[in-house]
Parts: sequence; C-alpha cells; structure tokens
Amino acid sequence: EIVLTQSPDTLSLSPGERATLSCRASQSVSSTHLAWYQQKPGQAPRLLIYGASSRATGIPDRFSGSGSGTDFTLTISRLEPEDFAVYYCQHYGSTTMYTFGQGTKLEIK
Amino acid sequence: EVQLVESGGGLVKPGGSLRLSCAASGFSFSDAWMSWVRQAPGKGLEWVGRIKSKADGATPDYAAPVKGRFTISRDDSKNMLYLQMSSLKTEDTAVYYCPTRSGAPPAFDYWGHGILVTVSS
Repeated sequence: EIVLTQSPDTLSLSPGERATLSCRASQSVSSTHLAWYQQKPGQAPRLLIYGASSRATGIPDRFSGSGSGTDFTLTISRLEPEDFAVYYCQHYGSTTMYTFGQGTKLEIK
Repeated sequence: EVQLVESGGGLVKPGGSLRLSCAASGFSFSDAWMSWVRQAPGKGLEWVGRIKSKADGATPDYAAPVKGRFTISRDDSKNMLYLQMSSLKTEDTAVYYCPTRSGAPPAFDYWGHGILVTVSS
C-alpha cells in the first residue's frame, strides 16, 4: 500500500510570497500517476497538476509541479488571494487504485 | 459543458442503506471510467471505488473500507452512475463526489458538487 505524506500540514504565507508544498510517497511511484488538487471551503476539488508537472486546462502558470520517485513538489510562484486553500496530492496505481495525501492547508499570514 | 450532478443523499441510521446517483452530461459517458470519492466532515479526500466503461468490462473496484458493503453500477442508456450503500456505519458520513477523467492521465479533471450522507441514530 502506498502512503502519501504531505508537508507541512499548514503553511502560513502572505500574498506575493512563494509557496512550496511537499508530497512524499512511501515507495517510488510513477510521475505519470501523480496529481495535485486545490480545494476551497464548500467546493469540490479542482485539478491543478497531472503527470507530476503538467498543468491542467485553465490553471495559471504560477502553479508548477516537479519531482520524481518518492518526492514531489507543488510550487506557487507568487501567491494570489484566491490561492489560499487546501491542497492534496494524489497517486494512481493499478493495484492500489487512487490514494490521496492528507492535505496541506495554505493560510494567509 | 461537462456536468456531474450527485443526488440521493440524506440522513440514514447505522446499518441502513442508501443509493446515490450521479447524472452525467457533456461528455461520452459510455466511454468514461467513473469513480466515487468521499470526504468526511473536516477531513481529507478518500477514494471509494471505480467502475470501468462497458468496453473495458464495466468491472468495479472498491477501497478496502467499503468492499462488500458498497456496489457501484452504471446505466449508459441514461448517463447515470450509482452507488448502492448498505450496512452503513457512522464513519461513512461524508460528502460523496463522482469525479471522472477526460483523458489518459489518471487524474480527475471533472467533479460534481457532491452530496452529503449522514449516518447517525
């Protein structure tokens, strides 16, 4: 079973700053199967990144993903007020199906 | 425009049953692999299960916590996805979503608004 651990649990930053969110897998996973989502209160998750580094349709280029193996990163280059939300990483495996990290809450400092 | 609309949620007693529905439109539903994902109040996302397209066998897969209690089915003639839940437990209380993926990457790019299921006596 693959476990995804996100860090930190909460990240406090100000608009304009750079945010770096981490997702660590318990074993090496395929980058093709790693995605990131944003969720705001009362809303469904929104796909940001798939294949570890490809932006989904309509996602601003301030969002970027990177990583391979067991360590993956979501970077938001310059935070906008609307970026404060909870972020989840997700992995798909043929036997484990879909696994989500526990989430990182990005809050305004 | 892709639309996914969940319905059928509500309050049910422990041990009871409930059937959720997901109405799909704006894409080729019969070709889509459909999933259910849930989120307990104040908690993270949890994958519940998936059903493949009929062309790929329409076989369902389930997460361990719901296997043997939940059944996923589909009616391609109506563009409908279902989640039959039985032997419900308080820990099944959650908002249930029916997301899907539009392309090859196994990521959910379309989500419904979700429907709340509360299991309580």
